[in-house]
Amino acid sequence: DTGVSQDPRHKITKRGQNVTFRCDPISEHNRLYWYRQTLGQGPEFLTYFQNEAQLEKSRLLSDRFSAERPKGSFSTLEIQRTEQGDSAMYLCAFSGPSTDTQYFGPGTRLTVL
Amino acid sequence: QKEVEQNSGPLSVPEGAIASLNCTYSDRGSQSFFWYRQYSGKSPELIMSIYSNGDKEDGRFTAQLNKASQYVSLLIRDSQPSDSATYLCAVSPPGDSWGKLQFGAGTQVVVTP
Repeated sequence: DTGVSQDPRHKITKRGQNVTFRCDPISEHNRLYWYRQTLGQGPEFLTYFQNEAQLEKSRLLSDRFSAERPKGSFSTLEIQRTEQGDSAMYLCAFSGPSTDTQYFGPGTRLTVL
Repeated sequence: QKEVEQNSGPLSVPEGAIASLNCTYSDRGSQSFFWYRQYSGKSPELIMSIYSNGDKEDGRFTAQLNKASQYVSLLIRDSQPSDSATYLCAVSPPGDSWGKLQFGAGTQVVVTP
């Protein structure tokens, strides 16, 4: 158990719809990361938070993507006007206050029809 | 050139043999290196981290790091069918070891009985 839960685990949506994913660390982990992984590729960094501050965003994170971490606990990732190219596994990861080791949650698999 | 490169495989290994996985990275100042294992349809799980040149052993796994050659490897001794998975190499780029990880595309390992 990595101490991170993600909801939903699977999401099927139609192109053009908005979707929101949630990541909940069991305890208040200092840094929280979002990655996207497509078939046959390694995870690609999207963004990360230290507490509630969003410290870095990838160029992959287009204007249709937004992430928040209110109060430095859970985080949400929203994709607006989904496209078929958004179909992927969306992974949340965390690291503690004195380590750079990242541990992943179970992921949310998004399918855009 | 990708920041982190791995042979995609599949790497077929007889049960009980040693599996050798290789990874090269492009950012010379990188300081933190990680190996993750990922079963099909699941999220990555950490195997081990390595920060200093040389070998680091953890059970049947040995990570090797050579910063001068920008090369990190993973050896799996006494390979078991349960080791059949994709192995991801991840590197912290220079400047912010607490931030994003850059992943290779992964090497698929198949352990044959």
